[in-house]
Amino acid sequence: DGGITQSPKYLFRKEGQNVTLSCEQNLNHDAMYWYRQDPGQGLRLIYYSQIVNDFQKGDIAEGYSVSREKKESFPLTVTSAQKNPTAFYLCASSMAADSYEQYFGPGTRLTVT
Amino acid sequence: GENVEQHPSTLSVQEGDSAVIKCTYSDSASNYFPWYKQELGKRPQLIIDIRSNVGEKKDQRIAVTLNKTAKHFSLHITETQPEDSAVYFCAAIGGSQGNLIFGKGTKLSVKP
Repeated sequence: DGGITQSPKYLFRKEGQNVTLSCEQNLNHDAMYWYRQDPGQGLRLIYYSQIVNDFQKGDIAEGYSVSREKKESFPLTVTSAQKNPTAFYLCASSMAADSYEQYFGPGTRLTVT
Repeated sequence: GENVEQHPSTLSVQEGDSAVIKCTYSDSASNYFPWYKQELGKRPQLIIDIRSNVGEKKDQRIAVTLNKTAKHFSLHITETQPEDSAVYFCAAIGGSQGNLIFGKGTKLSVKP
């Protein structure tokens, strides 16, 4: 454990509110990723960033936004436009976009009611 | 784009038996195939991976085999133990950006 952290572990929000999930890494990795995990589903890519100040949409980016102002940090905002935001969110990082091995954070379980 | 299918979705074995989980992929250009283990409520952790230039890789009780012609790869766990109980995910690099595409997971239960 350690190296890549996410906070908080559990998060509760009311429908219609935006919420930001934190992801920090001290591995000096260039690339960072956000995944969403639902029961019985694999991990689905929301956004990824290969380098500071640059990021790309993944397969399910609608209703989410990110920023990458620092190499160590890649926060994810779940907006009110996301129709079904309740899920387990995982952040990951890799040394470089083409180094392939990804290391995951402990995850944040978001519940929106 | 890449599509990864994983079977079975659930697998129950007796302690000491072997377990095999299979994945197929669609993009013949894929060249990296990791396997992750996720215990309940925890983060996925890389347990073994294989690149397209080898056909098999072993690490103690786990092994992965790759058949590039058939576009499938498998995870083999021998002498299973209760602590092997978890959800296992396969993945493949796919797409022009080389992002990992995951299978839907296999819930392995090892009964003592």
